[in-house]
Amino acid sequence: DSGVTQTPKHLITATGQRVTLRCSPRSGDLSVYWYQQSLDQGLQFLIQYYNGEERAKGNILERFSAQQFPDLHSELNLSSLELGDSALYFCASSVDPGLADGELFFGEGSRLTVL
Amino acid sequence: TQLLEQSPQFLSIQEGENLTVYCNSSSVFSSLQWYRQEPGEGPVLLVTVVTGGEVKKLKRLTFQFGDARKDSSLHITAAQPGDTGLYLCAGLVSGTYKYIFGTGTRLKVLA
Repeated sequence: DSGVTQTPKHLITATGQRVTLRCSPRSGDLSVYWYQQSLDQGLQFLIQYYNGEERAKGNILERFSAQQFPDLHSELNLSSLELGDSALYFCASSVDPGLADGELFFGEGSRLTVL
Repeated sequence: TQLLEQSPQFLSIQEGENLTVYCNSSSVFSSLQWYRQEPGEGPVLLVTVVTGGEVKKLKRLTFQFGDARKDSSLHITAAQPGDTGLYLCAGLVSGTYKYIFGTGTRLKVLA
């Protein structure tokens, strides 16, 4: 158990719909990362927050948005869903994103299926 | 766009064989990490290398960071079925807070 909690674990929805994925980081971790993994491939970096502020952005689509709340949990909002958005979405947390020897702790992921 | 290319993509070997997985990029990284991912789970950190040329050993696993901090390798000696999984390298892009992940190497070790 990494200490990172993601909900829901599984989600099935239709094209055009909107979903929200939730992440609670490990106790004490201030930084949250979101990644997308398709078909057992590598992880695509989406976005990173530190103590409520966006710090780094990857290839995140305009239809996707995220935020980190004062209690440090984070939400990833996916709208106007397309078939190609079907993937595993992982959240990871770390103590300090600037540490070169830092470690990312991953949740178990949210599997999104768009029909 | 920073990319981390891993090779090979797939590897199926017999128990007891040795193997090496490579992770290459044109970008410089502050550090490079290796993770292993099991089905239905998130990646778990194996090791972090920070200094160019650094070599770290973890039992039968040896990790090396390239001198220019652009590439890394993972060598497994006498592979065991328990080593089966998806191996991912991840680099902390210099001057940023971004960890980007490699394309992954799926390893299967047959008993």
